Amino acid sequence: GESVGLHLPTLSVQEGDNSIINCAYSNSASDYFIWYKQESGKGPQFIIDIRSNMDKRQGQRVTVLLNKTVKHLSLQIAATQPGDSAVYFCAETNAGNNRKLIWGLGTSLAVNP
Amino acid sequence: DGGITQSPKYLFRKEGQNVTLSCEQNLNHDAMYWYRQDPGQGLRLIYYSQIVNDFQKGDIAEGYSVSREKKESFPLTVTSAQKNPTAFYLCASSIPLAGGTGEQFFGPGTRLTVL
Repeated sequence: GESVGLHLPTLSVQEGDNSIINCAYSNSASDYFIWYKQESGKGPQFIIDIRSNMDKRQGQRVTVLLNKTVKHLSLQIAATQPGDSAVYFCAETNAGNNRKLIWGLGTSLAVNP
Repeated sequence: DGGITQSPKYLFRKEGQNVTLSCEQNLNHDAMYWYRQDPGQGLRLIYYSQIVNDFQKGDIAEGYSVSREKKESFPLTVTSAQKNPTAFYLCASSIPLAGGTGEQFFGPGTRLTVL
């Protein structure tokens, strides 16, 4: 399954499928990007990050891809599990804004067993 | 254990009352932040502080006030001037900005309901 945009869409996937969550960022000067996961009623948790001098970074079951040409960021979750159900936020930052995070609006991921 | 604590987890107030939300961190971070989150929405920055005794308004500071008298503490007061205060409030901190990347560490949040 795949979602697009900075509004808060819902992505629904079957357990075991791969998920792709997309994010369009706003500032071409941004040099550091983070994906956060927020479970219901909790604070956001860091998942993975990537610097602008990289195109791809892999973690455990997650991969982040960065396309600076079109200012696009994606989070891929392999073999999605029910525990992955949450809202996922992308955030960008750069040295010029005192490293404040600029947040996307989030994507809600629902994993169906 | 290092981390950020927020208290209380749930808070109820009557209209017209001021209320203060607590945020404490023992991560030795210089920068601290307050966000507001409404149902089904993203995070909006209320106030942030880069160093003790200094703070700046974020995108939605009206009706809120903060103080930063100690490095580990950044309390947020929701005043009666905030017309729609019912929301989920998140506090975060980050390592010194000059040497950091901007990654923020979050507390568990306080859910404020105005009755």
